Amino acid sequence: DAGVIQSPRHEVTEMGQEVTLRCKPISGHDYLFWYRQTMMRGLELLIYFNNNVPIDDSGMPEDRFSAKMPNASFSTLKIQPSEPRDSAVYFCASRGLAVTGELFFGEGSRLTVL
Amino acid sequence: GQNIDQPTEMTATEGAIVQINCTYQTSGFNGLFWYQQHAGEAPTFLSYNVLDGLEEKGRFSSFLSRSKGYSYLLLKELQMKDSASYLCAVRDSNYQLIWGAGTKLIIKP
Repeated sequence: DAGVIQSPRHEVTEMGQEVTLRCKPISGHDYLFWYRQTMMRGLELLIYFNNNVPIDDSGMPEDRFSAKMPNASFSTLKIQPSEPRDSAVYFCASRGLAVTGELFFGEGSRLTVL
Repeated sequence: GQNIDQPTEMTATEGAIVQINCTYQTSGFNGLFWYQQHAGEAPTFLSYNVLDGLEEKGRFSSFLSRSKGYSYLLLKELQMKDSASYLCAVRDSNYQLIWGAGTKLIIKP
């Protein structure tokens, strides 16, 4: 079974450009999470979806960030315009109905904004 | 506020045993997780505790004391590949995961 798939793995862009990160969760998982990880702040939850519906976006830093989940197999995280402080690794994770409810993380998208 | 504390860094010797501690103060408790994260890679699930006591899984064991707000991850027969960061996370009453900053474990030959 394929794991969580993210793209791109690496993105280098200039300040002010739009960035779109993509995620395909594990088939059958009904929760999808977007996290950001930096050395200074660790893992931060940005937003999560349940059955494609955004449940909590209180972690989204500001209006420059937006996320969508048009169907059960695809989600995007968009930053527009990007800023150097957005540089981080962005992880997508999904969760199924197992009792433990552990998260399965994608490989991450490493974003560098110059 | 909600808080999870774990040591920033630990060093241990190959073949030895190491214990990584985690203390937490959260709004409610619905389980504690340990994840392993190698440098440049994604976190991967190691263990889950919801009841007090020890859960053993091969070379790794995890202990929980809910009354003390305390857990530890025990790694035995350390191997070089165990060099990684170990993240403690608690699921609170809203079923949200609160993450610790992680403990970087360095294994020396």
